[in-house]
Amino acid sequence: QVQLVESGGGVVQPGGSLRLSCAASGFTFSAYAMHWVRQAPGKGLEWVAVISYDGSSKYYTVSGKGRFTISRDNSKNTVYLQMNSLRADDTAVYYCGGSRLTTEPFDYWGQGTLVTVSS
Amino acid sequence: SYALIQPPSVSVAPGQTARITCGGNNIGSENVHWYQQKPGQAPVLVVSDEIDRPSGIPERFSGSYSGDTATLTISRVEAGDEADFYCQVWDRSSDHWVFGGGTKLTVL
Repeated sequence: QVQLVESGGGVVQPGGSLRLSCAASGFTFSAYAMHWVRQAPGKGLEWVAVISYDGSSKYYTVSGKGRFTISRDNSKNTVYLQMNSLRADDTAVYYCGGSRLTTEPFDYWGQGTLVTVSS
Repeated sequence: SYALIQPPSVSVAPGQTARITCGGNNIGSENVHWYQQKPGQAPVLVVSDEIDRPSGIPERFSGSYSGDTATLTISRVEAGDEADFYCQVWDRSSDHWVFGGGTKLTVL
């Protein structure tokens, strides 16, 4: 069965860095585009970034561009989100998701990992 | 950037039909997808490209659009349908995914 398991969340000070990981199983990871979506406490969904199946294409939300980097290791069935210069408004649950193409809807979702940016 | 507008809340009695709208400029030319998110859980895709339902999603869930509005219709609403619902579009002009603000469905 399909599983996406996020890890790496925690409490970080403003200006700090964090790297999230998402380990996939139960589907052909190397054939799927992978996304990060976040949800601030009590708020709606906000798309953060996507990486194509082979890593050749990456797109970012405006607020993340220049601060966040998405990457993947198909040999480890894992996608990453490196987050730098974190701000209080980056506080959210971060979900990873999978879709057949970067422009197709998200078939698979993980359960999320909480990132709290606070001094 | 492209914006999707949803009503904050919709209420419906069990057995009735719920309609959740998603407004966007010329949305009929876009592929609109719908997700259901129950409290404490990850979102689940319930309708893709306005008309397709993933495996396991009841036929009670359907999508449509007219003009600048896409609609998720849930027929014969059950208590277990209570959740937040989000519409989603790929904005080709900016290469961004866009989510609507979400609609909380309350089953009375």
